[in-house]
Amino acid sequence: NAGVMQNPRHLVRRRGQEARLRCSPMKGHSHVYWYRQLPEEGLKFMVYLQKENIIDESGMPKERFSAEFPKEGPSILRIQQVVRGDSAAYFCASSPQRGVWEQYFGPGTRLTVT
Amino acid sequence: QKEVEQNSGPLSVPEGAIASLNCTYSDRGSQSFFWYRQYSGKSPELIMFIYSNGDKEDGRFTAQLNKASQYVSLLIRDSQPSDSATYLCAVDIQGAQKLVFGQGTRLTINP
Repeated sequence: NAGVMQNPRHLVRRRGQEARLRCSPMKGHSHVYWYRQLPEEGLKFMVYLQKENIIDESGMPKERFSAEFPKEGPSILRIQQVVRGDSAAYFCASSPQRGVWEQYFGPGTRLTVT
Repeated sequence: QKEVEQNSGPLSVPEGAIASLNCTYSDRGSQSFFWYRQYSGKSPELIMFIYSNGDKEDGRFTAQLNKASQYVSLLIRDSQPSDSATYLCAVDIQGAQKLVFGQGTRLTINP
């Protein structure tokens, strides 16, 4: 029973490039969440998506960041024109559509901007 | 006031003892509460969740919730060195399905 999958696990980008982070939820889960963990800081919510819908993007920076969860394929978090401050661990989580909607995290993508 | 607060530690506990981790939250509309364990360089791993007042036990772990005091705790019995990690308290405020995390408590179990 595969868990949440994320790729790549490590991503290095130069300032100004684009970063694309992918997340496939656990089998049977249709809700995806993205969180960011900056060095020495806590986990912060970014966005909550269902298939083809953004439910809550209140934690997303207003510029350069976008997320999608298409009908087919993984959820993608896209960061345009990356800056050094974007260097962080980005975690995706998924939840079932029942119960307390507990969230299970993927292994994360460590983004380094040089 | 932070929405979710934890003592950052470090908390040092001898092997075999009980480790007690505490968390307070500010929003009375909070509905579900989660404890995650995070090893250094790894992703958060769900240990327990609780949504009703009282205790919930799962193996060596017990979660306790007191909504009147806005307090949730995690007890780890018979602590093992492998329990050494950062423990994150997370709250689903207002049932919005976006978790608000505390800063985490770093726990060290001493052999």
